[in-house]
Amino acid sequence: DIQMTQSPSSLSASVGDRVTISCRASQGINNDLAWFQQKPGKAPKSLIHAASSLQSGVPSKFSGSGSGTDFTLTISSLQPEDFATYYCQQYNTYPITFGQGTQLEIK
Amino acid sequence: QVQLVQSGAEVKKPGASVNVSCKASGYTFTSYAVHWVRQAPGQRLEWMGWINAGNGGTKYSQKFQGRVTITRDTSASTAYMEVRSLRSEDTAVYFCARDRSMADWGQGTLVTVSS
Repeated sequence: DIQMTQSPSSLSASVGDRVTISCRASQGINNDLAWFQQKPGKAPKSLIHAASSLQSGVPSKFSGSGSGTDFTLTISSLQPEDFATYYCQQYNTYPITFGQGTQLEIK
Repeated sequence: QVQLVQSGAEVKKPGASVNVSCKASGYTFTSYAVHWVRQAPGQRLEWMGWINAGNGGTKYSQKFQGRVTITRDTSASTAYMEVRSLRSEDTAVYFCARDRSMADWGQGTLVTVSS
């Protein structure tokens, strides 16, 4: 199975900050990577697919980059509603696998 | 708009089975796959398997092979997932999601396994 490792596992930031979350795959996955936002008690929300393509309706403050094994999610100008847990997911090879999550907290 | 509506919470005893449904609307059901993902308390998301809603073909994570069955009813635009031989470690929220990129998700179904 392809292992997905996110860093950091938790992150404290302030409203207005710009943050970056990293995701590394244990083997190359081309650009078959998605990012999700999850709030407590809710289903994940898709933000980005194909490493850098924004899902419809997702604000442009979210951006993704990378290919192969190393990927990043950047969130600019943090707002209170952005504080949540973020997951990366590879869908290049079955089984589909997720990172362990990055918990973004208010400083 | 696309909606995936799942069945309600379940409480089961160890060894029992559970069936979770996922009713789709707002798109052509048979044109997209339905994936199933679960999340145990405090854990990461875990992919379980998927069904091609058009031809009924399935693929499962090896971890769940033989214990999980995914089916669909095209007339009802609904996918189903059955988990058998439940154990306490299966206590989790179970989600359905549309297509491999999982752009749309159901609201989740809490399955609690407890004696």
